Amino acid sequence: QQQVKQSPQSLIVQKGGISIINCAYENTAFDYFPWYQQFPGKGPALLIAIRPDVSEKKEGRFTISFNKSAKQFSLHIMDSQPGDSATYFCAAIYNFNKFYFGSGTKLNVKP
Amino acid sequence: EAQVTQNPRYLITVTGKKLTVTCSQNMNHEYMSWYRQDPGLGLRQIYYSMNVEVTDKGDVPEGYKVSRKEKRNFPLILESPSPNQTSLYFCASRLRGEETQYFGPGTRLLVL
Repeated sequence: QQQVKQSPQSLIVQKGGISIINCAYENTAFDYFPWYQQFPGKGPALLIAIRPDVSEKKEGRFTISFNKSAKQFSLHIMDSQPGDSATYFCAAIYNFNKFYFGSGTKLNVKP
Repeated sequence: EAQVTQNPRYLITVTGKKLTVTCSQNMNHEYMSWYRQDPGLGLRQIYYSMNVEVTDKGDVPEGYKVSRKEKRNFPLILESPSPNQTSLYFCASRLRGEETQYFGPGTRLLVL
């Protein structure tokens, strides 16, 4: 049973557009919600993360929106670039040690 | 260079033949963890370690063993591999209290 549900599975966006990836969770005990970016042949790398007492966090073109009551969070990539083409994973962390990842979204940004 | 290394990077083996995948980090991180990545399932945590001699189960620990005798090393042991353990495995580490978890390059395992 997937603890974190991620959608869509794949996403095609034109250069300059906004990419939006959504995640939902059930366990209200999760205490941290990171997003990871993975390029082919590489390990995932932390992109941006948010704690559940914050509704939004922005770092450059990347923004996490967090809706605690709905138990949902999303990643927004503004002004998407071809170099953003990668697989993105949301995750939820329990007790700062146990990680639960979503199933991943493959993003393709068309030039 | 600060990094997490894994060996081997690729491994083909047969059912039942014990194997070990090594993981080493040079960043003096307390926390280390193993994941497997399968298409459509994302990454799933196998085991993690909060420090030397302290390990705990992740989401999918069945069929795996780990040990943490030294801070820098966290080997993953498959005592009797089966075909359903064919996967891409990642080791990761982070400093206690820090957000960033650093991943190794991955080990692709095929069990025949």
